[in-house]
Amino acid sequence: QVQLQESGPGLVKPSETLSLTCAVSGYSISSGYYWGWIRQPPGKGLEWIGSIYHSGSTYYNPSLKSRVTISVDTSKNQFSLKLSSVTAADTAVYYCARHGVQLWLGYFDYWGQGTLVTVSS
Amino acid sequence: AIRMTQSPSSFSASTGDRVTITCRASQGISSYLAWYQQKPGKAPKLLIYAASTLQSGVPSRFSGSGSGTDFTLTISCLQSEDFATYYCQQYYSYPPWTFGQGTKVEIK
Repeated sequence: QVQLQESGPGLVKPSETLSLTCAVSGYSISSGYYWGWIRQPPGKGLEWIGSIYHSGSTYYNPSLKSRVTISVDTSKNQFSLKLSSVTAADTAVYYCARHGVQLWLGYFDYWGQGTLVTVSS
Repeated sequence: AIRMTQSPSSFSASTGDRVTITCRASQGISSYLAWYQQKPGKAPKLLIYAASTLQSGVPSRFSGSGSGTDFTLTISCLQSEDFATYYCQQYYSYPPWTFGQGTKVEIK
Protein backbone atom coordinates (compact mmCIF):
# COMPACT_ATOMS: atom_id res chain seq x y z
CA GLN A 1 0.00 0.00 0.00
CA VAL A 2 1.36 3.38 -1.02
CA GLN A 3 1.76 5.73 1.92
CA LEU A 4 2.91 9.34 2.04
CA GLN A 5 3.92 11.23 5.17
CA GLU A 6 4.65 14.93 5.41
CA SER A 7 7.08 16.36 7.93
CA GLY A 8 8.51 19.74 8.77
CA PRO A 9 8.14 22.75 11.06
CA GLY A 10 4.61 23.71 11.99
CA LEU A 11 5.51 27.35 12.53
CA VAL A 12 7.42 29.61 10.17
CA LYS A 13 8.15 33.31 10.55
CA PRO A 14 7.05 35.81 7.91
CA SER A 15 9.59 36.37 5.13
CA GLU A 16 11.33 33.08 5.90
CA THR A 17 11.29 29.84 3.89
CA LEU A 18 8.83 27.03 4.50
CA SER A 19 10.41 23.60 4.12
CA LEU A 20 8.55 20.30 4.07
CA THR A 21 9.45 16.74 3.18
CA CYS A 22 7.21 13.92 2.03
CA ALA A 23 8.42 10.39 2.72
CA VAL A 24 6.96 7.71 0.46
CA SER A 25 6.62 4.07 1.47
CA GLY A 26 5.17 1.08 -0.34
CA TYR A 27 6.22 2.39 -3.74
CA SER A 28 9.50 3.50 -5.26
CA ILE A 29 9.46 7.10 -6.46
CA SER A 30 11.83 5.98 -9.24
CA SER A 31 9.17 3.63 -10.63
CA GLY A 32 7.14 6.48 -12.07
CA TYR A 33 4.32 8.91 -11.30
CA TYR A 34 4.53 12.56 -10.47
CA TRP A 35 4.75 13.55 -6.82
CA GLY A 36 3.06 16.76 -5.87
CA TRP A 37 2.23 19.29 -3.19
CA ILE A 38 -1.23 20.70 -2.59
CA ARG A 39 -2.28 23.13 0.12
CA GLN A 40 -5.51 24.11 1.82
CA PRO A 41 -5.83 27.31 3.86
CA PRO A 42 -8.02 26.91 6.94
CA GLY A 43 -11.66 26.65 5.91
CA LYS A 44 -10.85 27.04 2.21
CA GLY A 45 -10.35 24.94 -0.90
CA LEU A 46 -7.46 23.05 -2.45
CA GLU A 47 -4.62 24.67 -4.37
CA TRP A 48 -2.05 22.66 -6.34
CA ILE A 49 1.48 24.00 -5.70
CA GLY A 50 3.74 21.88 -7.87
CA SER A 51 4.84 18.39 -8.86
CA ILE A 52 8.07 16.54 -9.59
CA TYR A 53 9.09 13.40 -11.48
CA HIS A 54 11.93 11.18 -10.31
CA SER A 55 14.12 12.58 -13.07
CA GLY A 56 13.76 16.01 -11.50
CA SER A 57 11.34 17.35 -14.09
CA THR A 58 8.95 19.78 -12.41
CA TYR A 59 5.69 21.60 -12.89
CA TYR A 60 4.85 24.63 -10.76
CA ASN A 61 1.71 26.65 -10.28
CA PRO A 62 2.34 29.91 -12.13
CA SER A 63 0.85 31.83 -9.21
CA LEU A 64 3.59 30.52 -6.88
CA LYS A 65 6.38 29.68 -9.30
CA SER A 66 8.70 32.49 -8.27
CA ARG A 67 8.74 31.25 -4.67
CA VAL A 68 8.56 27.47 -5.03
CA THR A 69 11.23 24.82 -5.35
CA ILE A 70 10.45 21.11 -5.34
CA SER A 71 13.22 18.54 -5.24
CA VAL A 72 13.45 14.75 -5.09
CA ASP A 73 15.79 12.37 -3.29
CA THR A 74 15.31 8.94 -4.82
CA SER A 75 17.86 7.36 -2.47
CA LYS A 76 15.62 8.26 0.47
CA ASN A 77 12.40 7.81 -1.51
CA GLN A 78 11.22 11.27 -0.60
CA PHE A 79 10.60 14.66 -2.11
CA SER A 80 10.61 18.15 -0.66
CA LEU A 81 8.98 21.55 -0.92
CA LYS A 82 10.52 24.93 -0.28
CA LEU A 83 8.36 28.06 -0.35
CA SER A 84 10.24 31.30 0.15
CA SER A 85 9.23 34.72 1.46
CA VAL A 86 6.16 33.38 3.24
CA THR A 87 3.35 35.55 4.56
CA ALA A 88 0.26 34.83 6.62
CA ALA A 89 -1.51 33.96 3.36
CA ASP A 90 0.69 30.86 3.14
CA THR A 91 -0.78 29.44 6.36
CA ALA A 92 -2.38 26.19 5.32
CA VAL A 93 -2.48 22.44 5.62
CA TYR A 94 0.09 21.13 3.15
CA TYR A 95 -0.52 17.76 1.53
CA CYS A 96 1.75 15.64 -0.60
CA ALA A 97 0.11 13.41 -3.19
CA ARG A 98 0.78 11.19 -6.19
CA HIS A 99 -0.55 11.59 -9.72
CA GLY A 100 0.05 9.96 -13.04
CA VAL A 101 2.45 11.05 -15.75
CA GLN A 102 0.17 10.73 -18.73
CA LEU A 103 -2.54 13.31 -19.36
CA TRP A 104 -5.34 10.85 -18.60
CA LEU A 105 -3.78 9.93 -15.25
CA GLY A 106 -3.54 13.44 -13.81
CA TYR A 107 -5.71 12.78 -10.79
CA PHE A 108 -4.32 12.44 -7.26
CA ASP A 109 -4.80 8.87 -6.07
CA TYR A 110 -2.71 8.72 -2.90
CA TRP A 111 -2.39 11.52 -0.35
CA GLY A 112 -0.48 12.16 2.81
CA GLN A 113 -2.39 13.03 5.96
CA GLY A 114 -1.39 16.68 5.71
CA THR A 115 0.58 18.98 7.96
CA LEU A 116 -0.50 22.40 9.21
CA VAL A 117 2.01 25.16 8.68
CA THR A 118 1.31 28.47 10.37
CA VAL A 119 3.12 31.64 9.33
CA SER A 120 3.43 33.92 12.31
CA SER A 121 6.05 35.88 14.20
CA ALA B 1 -5.77 28.45 -15.99
CA ILE B 2 -9.02 26.53 -16.23
CA ARG B 3 -11.48 27.63 -13.58
CA MET B 4 -13.70 25.01 -11.96
CA THR B 5 -16.97 26.18 -10.44
CA GLN B 6 -19.08 23.93 -8.22
CA SER B 7 -22.69 24.39 -7.26
CA PRO B 8 -24.11 24.61 -4.79
CA SER B 9 -21.40 25.64 -2.31
CA SER B 10 -23.28 23.86 0.44
CA PHE B 11 -26.62 22.26 1.14
CA SER B 12 -28.44 20.16 3.69
CA ALA B 13 -29.77 16.70 3.01
CA SER B 14 -31.13 13.70 4.86
CA THR B 15 -29.91 10.14 5.01
CA GLY B 16 -31.43 8.24 2.12
CA ASP B 17 -31.68 11.26 -0.16
CA ARG B 18 -30.41 11.28 -3.73
CA VAL B 19 -28.05 14.22 -4.10
CA THR B 20 -26.35 15.80 -7.07
CA ILE B 21 -23.40 18.18 -7.14
CA THR B 22 -22.47 20.09 -10.28
CA CYS B 23 -19.04 21.13 -11.53
CA ARG B 24 -18.52 23.42 -14.49
CA ALA B 25 -15.22 24.06 -16.25
CA SER B 26 -14.39 27.42 -17.80
CA GLN B 27 -13.43 25.62 -21.01
CA GLY B 28 -13.81 22.12 -22.38
CA ILE B 29 -11.85 19.45 -20.54
CA SER B 30 -13.14 16.34 -22.31
CA SER B 31 -13.58 13.75 -19.53
CA TYR B 32 -10.44 14.63 -17.59
CA LEU B 33 -12.25 15.25 -14.35
CA ALA B 34 -11.93 13.73 -10.88
CA TRP B 35 -14.07 13.95 -7.76
CA TYR B 36 -12.78 13.83 -4.20
CA GLN B 37 -14.42 13.51 -0.80
CA GLN B 38 -12.91 15.27 2.20
CA LYS B 39 -13.95 14.85 5.81
CA PRO B 40 -12.90 17.31 8.54
CA GLY B 41 -9.26 16.97 9.49
CA LYS B 42 -8.61 14.37 6.79
CA ALA B 43 -6.95 14.35 3.40
CA PRO B 44 -9.12 14.29 0.28
CA LYS B 45 -10.03 10.84 -0.98
CA LEU B 46 -10.32 10.04 -4.68
CA LEU B 47 -13.83 8.87 -5.56
CA ILE B 48 -14.10 9.12 -9.33
CA TYR B 49 -11.73 9.79 -12.23
CA ALA B 50 -12.24 10.13 -15.96
CA ALA B 51 -15.56 11.78 -15.05
CA SER B 52 -17.34 8.49 -14.42
CA THR B 53 -14.90 5.75 -13.39
CA LEU B 54 -15.25 4.69 -9.78
CA GLN B 55 -11.99 4.37 -7.87
CA SER B 56 -11.43 0.92 -6.41
CA GLY B 57 -13.20 0.45 -3.09
CA VAL B 58 -15.63 3.35 -3.52
CA PRO B 59 -19.28 2.39 -2.94
CA SER B 60 -21.47 2.08 -6.03
CA ARG B 61 -23.93 4.66 -4.68
CA PHE B 62 -21.44 7.23 -6.00
CA SER B 63 -21.55 7.98 -9.70
CA GLY B 64 -20.23 10.65 -12.03
CA SER B 65 -21.24 11.87 -15.44
CA GLY B 66 -20.55 14.58 -17.96
CA SER B 67 -17.99 15.68 -20.49
CA GLY B 68 -16.80 18.91 -22.00
CA THR B 69 -17.66 21.61 -19.50
CA ASP B 70 -20.48 20.23 -17.35
CA PHE B 71 -20.17 17.41 -14.85
CA THR B 72 -22.18 15.92 -12.01
CA LEU B 73 -21.48 13.79 -8.97
CA THR B 74 -24.49 11.84 -7.73
CA ILE B 75 -24.92 9.97 -4.47
CA SER B 76 -27.92 7.71 -4.99
CA CYS B 77 -28.79 7.06 -1.35
CA LEU B 78 -26.99 9.31 1.09
CA GLN B 79 -25.42 7.54 4.04
CA SER B 80 -24.26 9.08 7.32
CA GLU B 81 -20.62 8.64 6.32
CA ASP B 82 -21.18 10.67 3.15
CA PHE B 83 -21.59 13.97 4.95
CA ALA B 84 -18.43 15.71 3.83
CA THR B 85 -17.07 18.27 1.40
CA TYR B 86 -16.68 17.27 -2.24
CA TYR B 87 -14.22 18.72 -4.75
CA CYS B 88 -13.88 18.37 -8.47
CA GLN B 89 -10.50 18.64 -10.22
CA GLN B 90 -9.57 19.01 -13.88
CA TYR B 91 -6.47 17.42 -15.34
CA TYR B 92 -6.93 18.34 -18.98
CA SER B 93 -4.78 21.45 -19.04
CA TYR B 94 -1.79 22.03 -16.83
CA PRO B 95 -0.05 23.60 -15.15
CA PRO B 96 -1.92 24.29 -13.05
CA TRP B 97 -4.10 21.34 -12.16
CA THR B 98 -7.13 23.07 -10.65
CA PHE B 99 -9.89 22.24 -8.18
CA GLY B 100 -13.40 23.50 -7.66
CA GLN B 101 -14.12 25.51 -4.53
CA GLY B 102 -15.89 22.60 -2.86
CA THR B 103 -19.44 21.60 -1.99
CA LYS B 104 -20.26 20.86 1.64
CA VAL B 105 -23.01 18.32 2.25
CA GLU B 106 -24.52 18.81 5.70
CA ILE B 107 -27.09 16.90 7.72
CA LYS B 108 -30.59 18.33 7.57
